[in-house]
Amino acid sequence: NAGVTQTPKFQVLKTGQSMTLQCAQDMNHNSMYWYRQDPGMGLRLIYYSASEGTTDKGEVPNGYNVSRLNKREFSLRLESAAPSQTSVYFCASSAQVSGNTIYFGEGSWLTVV
Amino acid sequence: GENVEQHPSTLSVQEGDSAVIKCTYSDSASNYFPWYKQELGKRPQLIIDIRSNVGEKKDQRIAVTLNKTAKHFSLHITETQPEDSAVYFCAASKNNDMRFGAGTRLTVKP
Repeated sequence: NAGVTQTPKFQVLKTGQSMTLQCAQDMNHNSMYWYRQDPGMGLRLIYYSASEGTTDKGEVPNGYNVSRLNKREFSLRLESAAPSQTSVYFCASSAQVSGNTIYFGEGSWLTVV
Repeated sequence: GENVEQHPSTLSVQEGDSAVIKCTYSDSASNYFPWYKQELGKRPQLIIDIRSNVGEKKDQRIAVTLNKTAKHFSLHITETQPEDSAVYFCAASKNNDMRFGAGTRLTVKP
């Protein structure tokens, strides 16, 4: 039982390049999330998926797209990376029952130069 | 959307003292309030949570209180130890939308 697994762990991109961050969970959770973490700004919600087949914007969705591929997988895509997207990205999941405890992946360190 | 404010941003205490971190939220419909601890280079991990129908919850040296009327909640750590040093985040959740505070860096000095 690996929990939440995200790849890659580290990535350097050039401005304008595209990439996809992959995330999978093996806890049979309904809800999945993508957050970014920047110094002094906590964890900011980019997108979330309450259940398979649905996605919703969080507080900082601009420049990102997501796909809920199936119940297990939720990917985050940067179509044209910008230096402002340099950050640590965390995928997370929750069971979507009253309580909504979120479990995080280990994080992906992305640098855009 | 929900807005969560967290104070202080940094907190330094002597080992054995208590530490208190406070958060406020804006959306009265939020009904779940977890606290996460994040060590350097690691993922955030849940340490305690409280639901909107409960006013206080305690787990050993950690306690959380919730005041729904004032829309604020607090984390209390007693008898702090050096291993409590980390960044702590509060969060407020409504349905599947969970928003976090900016974090508090707690340093416990031996």
